[in-house]
Amino acid sequence: EADIYQTPRYLVIGTGKKITLECSQTMGHDKMYWYQQDPGMELHLIHYSYGVNSTEKGDLSSESTVSRIRTEHFPLTLESARPSHTSQYLCASSEMGKAYGYTFGSGTRLTVV
Amino acid sequence: AQRVTQPEKLLSVFKGAPVELKCNYSYSGSPELFWYVQYSRQRLQLLLRHISRESIKGFTADLNKGETSFHLKKPFAQEEDSAMYYCALLGYGNKLVFGAGTILRVKS
Repeated sequence: EADIYQTPRYLVIGTGKKITLECSQTMGHDKMYWYQQDPGMELHLIHYSYGVNSTEKGDLSSESTVSRIRTEHFPLTLESARPSHTSQYLCASSEMGKAYGYTFGSGTRLTVV
Repeated sequence: AQRVTQPEKLLSVFKGAPVELKCNYSYSGSPELFWYVQYSRQRLQLLLRHISRESIKGFTADLNKGETSFHLKKPFAQEEDSAMYYCALLGYGNKLVFGAGTILRVKS
């Protein structure tokens, strides 16, 4: 079934560890996004991509990095996790040139201890 | 500047009562607006978009350019409508800008 998948759903990790949050979509969408969402708060765009080898920083500054080597895959990496990175991370995708809105993944809830 | 404002953090109504979730936007271009919903333990999903002028699960939303609003309405609330609702604007660079969200709680 065409969808967008995020793994892991939950992650508890120690300070200083390197982590990668996975996001894959099977809808053939060109555009992909990462949002950060604290509980009960608005979503903030931290990274986006319009296609392979295209990545841009979003409106909210983030210490994370992303890559887009394949259309379907848009992983987010934190080189050295800190407690301030504790949040929910949502991945989304959309079709280029169409205002159908975004399809969101289930999210990764990250806790850095 | 582009901004979406949802003034209410929480809206609590009784089952069968009318619901109106407020959304105001600021955008210099021609706006494209959406409502997203997140039910408990489910992913964020598109509820409706203004360009389709559709009614989904009894909800409607009309774009009022004069008042720069896109309020979400339902005449009779149901318990299963309880969720977090986000208003969103497709802004510059075709990126979605979200409001802070409103929790709708429907009491029996």
